[in-house]
Amino acid sequence: GEDVEQSLFLSVREGDSSVINCTYTDSSSTYLYWYKQEPGAGLQLLTYIFSNMDMKQDQRLTVLLNKKDKHLSLRIADTQTGDSAIYFCAEMHPGGYQKVTFGTGTKLQVIP
Amino acid sequence: EPEVTQTPSHQVTQMGQEVILRCVPISNHLYFYWYRQILGQKVEFLVSFYNNEISEKSEIFDDQFSVERPDGSNFTLKIRSTKLEDSAMYFCASSEGSGGSKNIQYFGAGTRLSVL
Repeated sequence: GEDVEQSLFLSVREGDSSVINCTYTDSSSTYLYWYKQEPGAGLQLLTYIFSNMDMKQDQRLTVLLNKKDKHLSLRIADTQTGDSAIYFCAEMHPGGYQKVTFGTGTKLQVIP
Repeated sequence: EPEVTQTPSHQVTQMGQEVILRCVPISNHLYFYWYRQILGQKVEFLVSFYNNEISEKSEIFDDQFSVERPDGSNFTLKIRSTKLEDSAMYFCASSEGSGGSKNIQYFGAGTRLSVL
């Protein structure tokens, strides 16, 4: 079955880089996503990567995909206090109906 | 920028009552979804809906749950007889269609359901 795992908590100092890691089990995943959830808010799509890519960069965000190890990471450069949130890794499966499976979420705490 | 909107933001109900959670997906999207997140737990898939019928549903989505697209804009989730364990944040999502970036699901802000 599909499973997505993340570490639960990460604490970094403002200005440092944050790296949030994720592992998944379904090798047939087509898309892998990172969503951000601020307290009491919904799920904001941050970025995504297609499974045939190794890396994607979008401003301060860098996504690395190691398909062999089924490992995904999100690097946030120059982390700001506004980046404090829960970050969810998610995978989408092939087929017609596009169910997304979410990880446990990593709570990022940015220390001023 | 188009967005998925959900109402109400918070719904309080008594156990055994029926609730309807409402969603307005992005207007040109064809696929619609409901997910839920029990406090402190993972976001879980409930159901997907396409072409006016359920495409896939999870084990959570039992006979107490139903979905409907009553008109051209709304997508609703009904829980017939709420239980305490239905208390959760319910997220609606929509995507444009199949293929490439059209698969990306955009989520609403959620409806927090509290069953007393």
